[in-house]
Amino acid sequence: TQLLEQSPQFLSIQEGENLTVYCNSSSVFSSLQWYRQEPGEGPVLLVTVVTGGEVKKLKRLTFQFGDARKDSSLHITAAQPGDTGLYLCAGRHTDKLIFGTGTRLQVFP
Amino acid sequence: GAVVSQHPSWVICKSGTSVKIECRSLDFQATTMFWYRQFPKQSLMLMATSNEGSKATYEQGVEKDKFLINHASLTLSTLTVTSAHPEDSSFYICSASQGRSYEQYFGPGTRLTVT
Repeated sequence: TQLLEQSPQFLSIQEGENLTVYCNSSSVFSSLQWYRQEPGEGPVLLVTVVTGGEVKKLKRLTFQFGDARKDSSLHITAAQPGDTGLYLCAGRHTDKLIFGTGTRLQVFP
Repeated sequence: GAVVSQHPSWVICKSGTSVKIECRSLDFQATTMFWYRQFPKQSLMLMATSNEGSKATYEQGVEKDKFLINHASLTLSTLTVTSAHPEDSSFYICSASQGRSYEQYFGPGTRLTVT
């Protein structure tokens, strides 16, 4: 069974702070995705990374895929209250997505 | 594009009854649809994968006779929770894809509460 462990589980920070969320596994994935989910809604795709070592930037969000394609990180610069939500990584294995354990982020103004 | 809807968005049912949840791809043909369950403060767990016109493939530990999945057309899949019990209360989310290796587009979820 592939497991994707995210850390930290919870994060509560002030507006303007930086943060990093980690997604780790012992399995290799063909690609890895990051989603944000708000309460009562489905997850929304933020990014897909495919190549080992790949770095993608989306405004204040920077995503990195580990060289061995087993882990990934999400770094947010100058967090804003609008970044509040549940962040989920998901690794693709054949036709399935295996979701990480989730990181709940709260950004206070 | 790539919009997926679910109906209903929330439902309350009595223990022992059955409830059907619909998942529709609105602007593309979904050869494959996936059903996930999400308990409060937890992540998404894949329940089953359905391909249009064939039987669903269930993940280990998911009772196929309890969670009936039908994918009769390229735009509609249904999940029926039979003889629902309070422990089935959860957030059910579907996703749709144009094929097994294509992107999954997620629906907004259905909150099921069994009393």
